[in-house]
Amino acid sequence: AQSVTQPDIHITVSEGASLELRCNYSYGATPYLFWYVQSPGQGLQLLLKYFSGDTLVQGIKGFEAEFKRSQSSFNLRKPSVHWSDAAEYFCAVGPINTGTASKLTFGTGTRLQVTL
Amino acid sequence: DAGVTQSPTHLIKTRGQQVTLRCSPKSGHDTVSWYQQALGQGPQFIFQYYEEEERQRGNFPDRFSGHQFPNYSSELNVNALLLGDSALYLCASSRRRRTDEKLFFGSGTQLSVL
Repeated sequence: AQSVTQPDIHITVSEGASLELRCNYSYGATPYLFWYVQSPGQGLQLLLKYFSGDTLVQGIKGFEAEFKRSQSSFNLRKPSVHWSDAAEYFCAVGPINTGTASKLTFGTGTRLQVTL
Repeated sequence: DAGVTQSPTHLIKTRGQQVTLRCSPKSGHDTVSWYQQALGQGPQFIFQYYEEEERQRGNFPDRFSGHQFPNYSSELNVNALLLGDSALYLCASSRRRRTDEKLFFGSGTQLSVL
């Protein structure tokens, strides 16, 4: 069965500092990989996704993520964090062969706090 | 263009009761999926509907059931509510025939079971 591990429950960074959120997955084949962000009381917004091709993917709000097959990782990065980035971040994995990426398995999330 | 809309936004029920949550997908989308997000956890897949049938199901008991209507909107029903059913219930929509399609999530229904 597939699983997603986000080892950091809570991360605090200063505004302007760089950010890396870790994600490791367990999956029997090449998966679809996603990062979502959730602000309090809100649904999930897709930051970026990896399906195939270039292993470094660019997303919205200046985020990027790198797929490393050998490490089963898909870490999220941002060079300079803004106070508005404070939120909960979820990594997710989905099957590649269902015709739709709607059956996702999510990690438990990483809460990002940004200090001014 | 309205995104995914869910109603109600908040709901309080007591143990043993039944509840119905509603979801309208984003315009042009034909597939609806439901997720349960317990406090401090990531969302868990409940089931997926398209062409008015349940197509995939996660590890949830039969107390959780759903329906999809011809206009692609969907309902999630939970019978015999337990305290552990308290959670944020998220609806997501997509277009089935697009293999690279992304999910659009609604803001959710916060269900509290007392």
